[in-house]
Amino acid sequence: DAKTTQPNSMESNEEEPVHLPCNHSTISGTDYIHWYRQLPSQGPEYVIHGLTSNVNNRMASLAIAEDRKSSTLILHRATLRDAAVYYCILRDRYNTDKLIFGTGTRLQVFP
Amino acid sequence: DTGVSQDPRHKITKRGQNVTFRCDPISEHNRLYWYRQTLGQGPEFLTYFQNEAQLEKSRLLSDRFSAERPKGSFSTLEIQRTEQGDSAMYLCASSLGWQTNTGELFFGEGSRLTVL
Repeated sequence: DAKTTQPNSMESNEEEPVHLPCNHSTISGTDYIHWYRQLPSQGPEYVIHGLTSNVNNRMASLAIAEDRKSSTLILHRATLRDAAVYYCILRDRYNTDKLIFGTGTRLQVFP
Repeated sequence: DTGVSQDPRHKITKRGQNVTFRCDPISEHNRLYWYRQTLGQGPEFLTYFQNEAQLEKSRLLSDRFSAERPKGSFSTLEIQRTEQGDSAMYLCASSLGWQTNTGELFFGEGSRLTVL
């Protein structure tokens, strides 16, 4: 399975934008880039996913590099409730259906 | 609440005992996954079902672990002869697969196992 690399932790102030990076240099052509987050004492929850083009939804934006070897999850205005571990995951839609989690990025948000 | 539910939420047992966890997925979801998570680590994949068929098992799933989904609805994960290293959060997730645009997995809140 292709791997992702994320910083262990990041910090942000409330109401500021947050850019969470992810490197995936061994990504294959059929790998989708998924982001999940895990709030304290909860199971992970889906945030966003993309293949090649940048994506936006109500939670976040996903910016994907042209060569697809990296991506960035963007939270436009961080709130205290965004404090969580964010996981960047490559998922091959046509080969296997499981998600393989790394250790993710722990985001701290300060008031 | 129509989310994924897991039972029990907490289980404390003595080494050598058997434990069983139950997962009730979202009702129309045909795929069900089990993960294990230890402190400071991301969830580790254990196994997954499509309907009642167990399609994939991780090498982490030793012969002491068995998972079933007999009627394609709820699932059970049994651990026999528990060891202290089995202490972890056991997470269940379900999905409709790629029938939805996202293929999103919906996770339960987990069952925390402590083996003394």
